[in-house]
Amino acid sequence: TQLLEQSPQFLSIQEGENLTVYCNSSSVFSSLQWYRQEPGEGPVLLVTVVTGGEVKKLKRLTFQFGDARKDSSLHITAAQPGDTGLYLCAGAHNAGNNRKLIWGLGTSLAVNP
Amino acid sequence: NAGVTQTPKFRVLKTGQSMTLLCAQDMNHEYMYWYRQDPGMGLRLIHYSVGEGTTAKGEVPDGYNVSRLKKQNFLLGLESAAPSQTSVYFCASIRRWGGYKETQYFGPGTRLLVL
Repeated sequence: TQLLEQSPQFLSIQEGENLTVYCNSSSVFSSLQWYRQEPGEGPVLLVTVVTGGEVKKLKRLTFQFGDARKDSSLHITAAQPGDTGLYLCAGAHNAGNNRKLIWGLGTSLAVNP
Repeated sequence: NAGVTQTPKFRVLKTGQSMTLLCAQDMNHEYMYWYRQDPGMGLRLIHYSVGEGTTAKGEVPDGYNVSRLKKQNFLLGLESAAPSQTSVYFCASIRRWGGYKETQYFGPGTRLLVL
């Protein structure tokens, strides 16, 4: 099974720190999504990026899609305890009417007060 | 508007027992997916449906069956549970937009332990 590589696997930081997590693959994706999953819950979509080099911001979260559409990063500014969770990336391959989604294993983030 | 609901939330089975997991969505979506999530393996697609009355195999379909008799419901069945099926099962209801773009709305999950 092809997976997206996410790094780091685990991250524990203090409130107010900045952080960046990465999502890398050797494949080119039609689009890439970032989800956040809190303990005991299902993943929730944060953003979809489609264009190579695209940057999207969601409050303190900045998402970037690589120019070659093979990788992505998520930067959090001034992290807060509410940012704690598992961050998953998922890359989409579209071929005709078929769409295949490849999931990463996630980065588990703990933000300590 | 409940979104996506899953029942039961937690279940313990003995090897060989059967059970059905129910997923319900109230968003009128055509596409629905069943995933399992395991440590070190990530989310893996079990089966999916592109509309009422249709189902298809995903990445790890063996040992599972599904049915989509009504648009709002997607059922996942285990005919003879095995310890390897111990996992957290997530259902997702899919909104498709802008061509091939998708937003997946996940349920809260069903935690299954097979002894």
